[in-house]
Amino acid sequence: SQQGEEDPQALSIQEGENATMNCSYKTSINNLQWYRQNSGRGLVHLILIRSNEREKHSGRLRVTLDTSKKSSSLLITASRAADTASYFCALGGSNYKLTFGKGTLLTVNP
Amino acid sequence: NAGVTQTPKFQVLKTGQSMTLQCAQDMNHEYMSWYRQDPGMGLRLIHYSVGAGITDQGEVPNGYNVSRSTTEDFPLRLLSAAPSQTSVYFCASSYSGQRGQPQHFGDGTRLSIL
Repeated sequence: SQQGEEDPQALSIQEGENATMNCSYKTSINNLQWYRQNSGRGLVHLILIRSNEREKHSGRLRVTLDTSKKSSSLLITASRAADTASYFCALGGSNYKLTFGKGTLLTVNP
Repeated sequence: NAGVTQTPKFQVLKTGQSMTLQCAQDMNHEYMSWYRQDPGMGLRLIHYSVGAGITDQGEVPNGYNVSRSTTEDFPLRLLSAAPSQTSVYFCASSYSGQRGQPQHFGDGTRLSIL
């Protein structure tokens, strides 16, 4: 099964800046989800975007999906130190399964 | 509301030993799954279940067994532990197995096989 590829692998920014991470994939999807993982903890669901949607917002999060380019981006605006975590995209296909990428490690410096 | 609870949090085993990783959810979710997370590999699906009495294999099922006798519980059994099974194991659940459901994760079991 396909796996999403996040880019960059690591990102370091200052508090207050915006953070953008990307996810690319190779075959068709039904939906794409973004998750956050704090060090030593489980993953937490952030946002889900379906293949017929182009953009979704949730608080300081903005997700876009371009199915023609097979890519998605997650934008976190006005980053805080508490946003420091790993962020994963997960691909939902025609079955029940989710396939996770390897993640982007975001560090927000105070 | 506890969500997804995994026990134990940490475990050290010797090669060849067997053990069961426990997972319980109190959200009446139909769909449950087990992943392993290794450095640089992301999360890989081991087994999943779409309801009590129904299980299926994921991407990396070898060396693991599961059963789903109740909606709440989904234990993962290591039959004969090998060093390659050293990993962090996560259990997740979602409302149903239909496409496009957010998954709720436990905090993981960190397993070392010596």
